[in-house]
Amino acid sequence: NAGVTQTPKFQVLKTGQSMTLQCAQDMNHEYMSWYRQDPGMGLRLIHYSVGAGITDQGEVPNGYNVSRSTTEDFPLRLLSAAPSQTSVYFCASSYPASINTGELFFGEGSRLTVL
Amino acid sequence: AQRVTQPEKLLSVFKGAPVELKCNYSYSGSPELFWYVQYSRQRLQLLLRHISRESIKGFTADLNKGETSFHLKKPFAQEEDSAMYYCALISGNTGKLIFGQGTTLQVKP
Repeated sequence: NAGVTQTPKFQVLKTGQSMTLQCAQDMNHEYMSWYRQDPGMGLRLIHYSVGAGITDQGEVPNGYNVSRSTTEDFPLRLLSAAPSQTSVYFCASSYPASINTGELFFGEGSRLTVL
Repeated sequence: AQRVTQPEKLLSVFKGAPVELKCNYSYSGSPELFWYVQYSRQRLQLLLRHISRESIKGFTADLNKGETSFHLKKPFAQEEDSAMYYCALISGNTGKLIFGQGTTLQVKP
């Protein structure tokens, strides 16, 4: 079982470069989300989606774009990377019936460094 | 504002000692609270939810609405409990989880 797969696991960018963090799940989850994890800040929600074609902003959406063209994929785009976006990024998904039960399935994380 | 606060960045105890990881929340309405755990080199995973009133791996957590707390407790810590623990609550009905800052539990032999 693949579960939630994130790529790449590690990435180094220069300020101003763009990139896309990929997230795919094979569990037919309707709900998908992106978090960033920073020391002392915990996990903060960037964007989320409750189904294909539907996305919404979380706590810290600035500097990030998302799209949800299929149920399986939820890529996170950094249009012009900044050092403040250095972080570990987690993708998470949930069963349709579990959206309100708090059970999220997480990917392994993607560590991004912006120089 | 909806908020989860974990006041301790690091909690270090000896094996066999009791453990209490603190979590306080701010939420209007009836909160749904959870504890997530991240062991070294593993994915973040759900440990327990308050609505289930369950004990997982010896851990329990009781929701105290008067003190707006949801502390995680275990009577006798084991070395394998060493991990990062996050308290979280659900915001609204869209499944958004709001996490606290996290507490690293270190259980020494």
